[in-house]
Amino acid sequence: DGGITQSPKYLFRKEGQNVTLSCEQNLNHDAMYWYRQDPGQGLRLIYYSQIVNDFQKGDIAEGYSVSREKKESFPLTVTSAQKNPTAFYLCASSRQALNTGELFFGEGSRLTVL
Amino acid sequence: AQSVTQLDSHVSVSEGTPVLLRCNYSSSYSPSLFWYVQHPNKGLQLLLKYTSAATLVKGINGFEAEFKKSETSFHLTKPSAHMSDAAEYFCVVEKGGGADGLTFGKGTHLIIQP
Repeated sequence: DGGITQSPKYLFRKEGQNVTLSCEQNLNHDAMYWYRQDPGQGLRLIYYSQIVNDFQKGDIAEGYSVSREKKESFPLTVTSAQKNPTAFYLCASSRQALNTGELFFGEGSRLTVL
Repeated sequence: AQSVTQLDSHVSVSEGTPVLLRCNYSSSYSPSLFWYVQHPNKGLQLLLKYTSAATLVKGINGFEAEFKKSETSFHLTKPSAHMSDAAEYFCVVEKGGGADGLTFGKGTHLIIQP
């Protein structure tokens, strides 16, 4: 089955540690995205990538980093510089680089900082 | 700049009764609009989209939405609620061009009473 796989589903981190969230898609989509979701705030865009080896900052990129070495993979690193990293993180993809709004989402990774 | 406002953070209905989730948008032109659904601890799934064709849009699971330009609204409805409809619903507006071009509403939590 085609889809987006995020791992791990739950992750705990101590303050000061970096952590990397995995996102893999087998939909052959060009564009991939990372969103952060906090209760009552909807989704906010962290980073997006339209093509391999290229990515752009979204609205809340500070304290995060990404890479896009393969079309299928778009990992997100939450660095120690991110002041409030506890959140639900969602990875998504779309067929075309220009966003038509038809995003396909993974099931999310919930990060808790202890 | 485009924006979207979901007028209710929570809506509670009885099973078998109609559902109405309200969304207003702000845009300098006629945008594309979407509704997504998110079940607990899951990713989002596209319910339906409006892209300047028919103003009444039918989606999955019996949901539909009507684009009303004069009222700048895109309310989501369903004639008869099922227990499985309990979820978070997001109204989304496309900014217009560019891969980062979506603005999410803050969500409406739909509760279905037995």
